[in-house]
Amino acid sequence: GQQVMQIPQYQHVQEGEDFTTYCNSSTTLSNIQWYKQRPGGHPVFLIQLVKSGEVKKQKRLTFQFGEAKKNSSLHITATQTTDVGTYFCAGNSGGGADGLTFGKGTHLIIQP
Amino acid sequence: KAGVTQTPRYLIKTRGQQVTLSCSPISGHRSVSWYQQTPGQGLQFLFEYFSETQRNKGNFPGRFSGRQFSNSRSEMNVSTLELGDSALYLCASRILAGAAYEQYFGPGTRLTVT
Repeated sequence: GQQVMQIPQYQHVQEGEDFTTYCNSSTTLSNIQWYKQRPGGHPVFLIQLVKSGEVKKQKRLTFQFGEAKKNSSLHITATQTTDVGTYFCAGNSGGGADGLTFGKGTHLIIQP
Repeated sequence: KAGVTQTPRYLIKTRGQQVTLSCSPISGHRSVSWYQQTPGQGLQFLFEYFSETQRNKGNFPGRFSGRQFSNSRSEMNVSTLELGDSALYLCASRILAGAAYEQYFGPGTRLTVT
C-alpha cells in the first residue's frame, strides 16, 4: 500500500532559525495536503498542492510539491514560538481511492 | 459556522467492553472520516462515510465499525476493546468525498482502555 515517509521526526531550533520538513511517497501522488497540530490540539489544514513543481507561500511558510509528485516540503523562515507543533503531510494516490495517507509528522520544538 | 464536534471528549473503558463515539460534521459537509492517532503509529485512517455509505476503509480489524446517518452525523463503534485501542480518535469532515477536498478535524475523543 501507499506509504508516506516524513523526516525528520523531531526538529529543535532556536527561535528565529529556519525549519524544513520533508515528505516522500512510495507512489506518485495526485495531491498532497499539509496539516499542523498544536500540542493537545487537533490537526488543522494548512494547504493543498496539486500541480507538479507547485510552490505556494503563506507568510513565512513555503510549500513545494516535487516535479515527480512523489515528494513535498514545508519550509518555515524565521521560526516563532507560535510555530510550535507537529506538521503532517498527507497524500492521496488517486485512482478512485479517496483516503489520505498521513506521514508520521515532524515535531517542531523551538527554544527561545 | 460551528466546527466539527465529537462526543464524548474523554472515555475510560475496560478491556472487553465496547464503545461508541459520535461525530457531528460542519453544517453542509457530507463526508466524515475517522482516524486513530497514537504516539507510535501516528494518524491512521479508519474509514470514510459519504451519504450514509462507507467509501473507504483502512487496515483495521472488523472490531472497528462505523455508520453515518441521513443528517451526516457519524458514529464509530469499537467492540471487544483491547489495551492497544487506547488512542485519540479523530473525526474529520469535508464538504464532499474526494481527496481533493480539505478536511476539518474535530477535537477528538481520548479513549483509555484499562
